[in-house]
Amino acid sequence: QSVLTQPPSVSAAPGQKVTISCSGSSSNIGNNYVSWYQQLPGTAPKLLIYDNNKRPSGIPDRFSGSKSGTSATLGITGLQTGDEADYYCGTWDSSLSAHVVFGGGTKLTVL
Amino acid sequence: QLQLQESGPGLVKPSETLSLTCTVSGGSISSSSYYWGWIRQPPGKGLEWIGSIYYSGSTYYNPSLKSRVTISVDTSKNQFSLKLSSVTAADTAVYYCARLRLRSWVGPWGQGTLVTVSS
Repeated sequence: QSVLTQPPSVSAAPGQKVTISCSGSSSNIGNNYVSWYQQLPGTAPKLLIYDNNKRPSGIPDRFSGSKSGTSATLGITGLQTGDEADYYCGTWDSSLSAHVVFGGGTKLTVL
Repeated sequence: QLQLQESGPGLVKPSETLSLTCTVSGGSISSSSYYWGWIRQPPGKGLEWIGSIYYSGSTYYNPSLKSRVTISVDTSKNQFSLKLSSVTAADTAVYYCARLRLRSWVGPWGQGTLVTVSS
């Protein structure tokens, strides 16, 4: 049972837009930055979004992040088949004394 | 470009201790801005933070694993290590080492190493 709640799967056609939600509480998302990670099949997770809505160098602006209250959202526009991956949200949790907690992950299928 | 690489046995017997080392290259583990951590992923499942260490040696552990986990750092070798004792099949996972920006983000990650607990 993950501390953060994500939908198990989402799907959309190439070129379309998709959003992935991440729900938490005041002890985690509500009072901390949210980050997002992309895990392509058979590879390690990669930082996609940090501090709610910032993109590391090299991440295209098709990827965006937002946060409101105790929830966060990852948006991907102009979907490509290469975007098929598992996506995880992450944040800090003060009540658990945890340096990082993750969502259960969302499998993105580009139809 | 900072890189992390995990190393250690891929097979551990039940009740024994899992030991992994992460070697950091392209940057110093003694940076004051970051922690260094271990995260694992059981096959087909999600990510679980195990614990983190600062270059000074301060450690922080997942409460659910705290009684079995020890993380240490060797700044002279630019390495940090994980020991997980009394392992069971439930500890079978891909183990990743990573850099953590406190209260912010995790990255980069090592490529990960699969550790199987089996007799």
